[in-house]
Amino acid sequence: EVQLVESGGGLVQPKGSLKLSCAASGFDFNSYGMSWVRQAPGKGLDLVADISSKSYNYATYYADSVKDRFTISRDDSQSMVYLQMDNLKTEDTALYYCTVPNYGGPYNWFAYWGQGTLVTVSS
Amino acid sequence: DIRMTQSPASLSASLGETVNIECLASEDIYSDLAWYQQKPGKSPQLLIYNANSLQNGVPSRFSGSGSGTQYSLKINSLQSEDVATYFCQQYNNYPLTFGSGTKLEIK
Repeated sequence: EVQLVESGGGLVQPKGSLKLSCAASGFDFNSYGMSWVRQAPGKGLDLVADISSKSYNYATYYADSVKDRFTISRDDSQSMVYLQMDNLKTEDTALYYCTVPNYGGPYNWFAYWGQGTLVTVSS
Repeated sequence: DIRMTQSPASLSASLGETVNIECLASEDIYSDLAWYQQKPGKSPQLLIYNANSLQNGVPSRFSGSGSGTQYSLKINSLQSEDVATYFCQQYNNYPLTFGSGTKLEIK
């Protein structure tokens, strides 16, 4: 059974930093890309960042709204994916989901989702 | 960016009815379309990919169709557990984008 467990969310002031973690299990982590999708309260879904597998050279994508502020990374030896979020803005307030795309490369649908970790940016 | 326009924004239907949810892409996405179901307080769950392929474990009363820029999700014999918000998503081009959602309620 695929399990994705996110952690690291919380309340942070504007311009602060947080690092989200996602522990994955139940599938061949090394063969799949990983993504972070967020959902602001009562709103829709937005892809924040994704990272491909080693076979696809760990290629990354960032939404324009988070480029140069967020960094996605992965540790294949630990089946972990991370999202380092710096210079946070109030508009980054959202539930952040760790998701598994359908294969190792880009251009994916999202086959599995974690339960999400809430990030609140407020003074 | 490819804009995904979903309609209707909300929908109320009776148990046993058939409902259709539409998703219009701002350009041809060549059937690179997925549908998700998000029940209240839960994470989204994949229903359909490649416009018409049913994800393993999803009841057969769900089906997807469409091509080009127009796609639809059909739910036959509506059940109480189908109360949810439904989202479409295109993966033909970056940024991958989602529709704004259709909230389905039971009448």
